[in-house]
Amino acid sequence: GAGVSQSPSNKVTEKGKDVELRCDPISGHTALYWYRQSLGQGLEFLIYFQGNSAPDKSGLPSDRFSAERTGGSVSTLTIQRTQQEDSAVYLCASSLGGVFNQPQHFGDGTRLSIL
Amino acid sequence: KQEVTQIPAALSVPEGENLVLNCSFTDSAIYNLQWFRQDPGKGLTSLLLIQSSQREQTSGRLNASLDKSSGRSTLYIAASQPGDSATYLCAVRYGNNRLAFGKGNQVVVIP
Repeated sequence: GAGVSQSPSNKVTEKGKDVELRCDPISGHTALYWYRQSLGQGLEFLIYFQGNSAPDKSGLPSDRFSAERTGGSVSTLTIQRTQQEDSAVYLCASSLGGVFNQPQHFGDGTRLSIL
Repeated sequence: KQEVTQIPAALSVPEGENLVLNCSFTDSAIYNLQWFRQDPGKGLTSLLLIQSSQREQTSGRLNASLDKSSGRSTLYIAASQPGDSATYLCAVRYGNNRLAFGKGNQVVVIP
């Protein structure tokens, strides 16, 4: 398909485990974003990539969260030593990078549940 | 810090009625404003994007207006249909290339 692809769609894990969430952006989109949607909280920005570099990672809530992007394409968001408050839907978006007037296109998200 | 508010949080309307959804933001220094639709368990679908220099955008039954100086946008959906039932999210793009979202308008169109 031509849209943003995220995997897995659902992830259930025990507290204290590490998880990796994957995002495959739209082909040709150099900008990639991660957001988190918690129940009753709305969407919050986590990190922004332009190419493989992350000029803005100020939204990451703690040092347990990290993200990388390789080859200017696929990105992985890693959460170490998961806590119950990490339970949320993690959404990835991409856009034509370098210009602020382009829309962001979202994937269907990964629903993360920490037991 | 940019704050985005959407009112009302939830509303129900009978089929055929026009929908009016409001969004306000605190910092008028925005690049653009984007309206999204979110269905349960799904991601966000982009509906309309209004650049900061524009006053409105239209797509089919949807029309979005932007008054940047007063920090407001309105999404109009004409002749609502049951398939329009969803959560509608407003997001403004500002400063460092991030989006700030409202918490959404949850809409139910009653057949």
